[in-house]
Amino acid sequence: DVKVTQSSRYLVKRTGEKVFLECVQDMDHENMFWYRQDPGLGLRLIYFSYDVKMKEKGDIPEGYSVSREKKERFSLILESASTNQTSMYLCASSLGEGPGTEAFFGQGTRLTVV
Amino acid sequence: QQPVQSPQAVILREGEDAVINCSSSKALYSVHWYRQKHGEAPVFLMILLKGGEQKGHEKISASFNEKKQQSSLYLTASQLSYSGTYFCGTEEAAGNKLTFGGGTRVLVKP
Repeated sequence: DVKVTQSSRYLVKRTGEKVFLECVQDMDHENMFWYRQDPGLGLRLIYFSYDVKMKEKGDIPEGYSVSREKKERFSLILESASTNQTSMYLCASSLGEGPGTEAFFGQGTRLTVV
Repeated sequence: QQPVQSPQAVILREGEDAVINCSSSKALYSVHWYRQKHGEAPVFLMILLKGGEQKGHEKISASFNEKKQQSSLYLTASQLSYSGTYFCGTEEAAGNKLTFGGGTRVLVKP
């Protein structure tokens, strides 16, 4: 089974802190994604990576950056956390090759910024 | 950029049918459907590809109208286990970024 693991289920950080959310997948997937989930807004794509060191902005990249130094690990960075970044963050990965491959999600990190 | 889903919520009695719609303003390569139960990660249901390939799941099926960039998910003879939030995801090209809609909350009552 594909496993996508997010480092923390719950995280509380202070305004202005630099925050790292880590995601690791164990199936040699090319594509990795970071989404933010808020009530009524669905899953909004923050960043997408299709290879090591390759990234593409999603719909809401402002206030976030990402790092993919190794194929299995995709990190989301909040340079200076703000209260409006309090949310559920979901990481996902997909094979990336061939016609239409499914995405596998991690369990999510619920981040609270106080 | 996000696809638009409708309705936002639906309440069913066990055994009833429902349709969830997903539309995009962009030309699409594929449409994905996922279901998320409370407190859990979204789980893949099916993919519909440009060219008409469909893959069903139990009594849940879907269609993809490429010309209209619309997809519909059909919940037939719903079961209690169908409750959850359904998301459609779209790709504009193979292996490209996957963008999701706002979700449709489904509640199936006994």
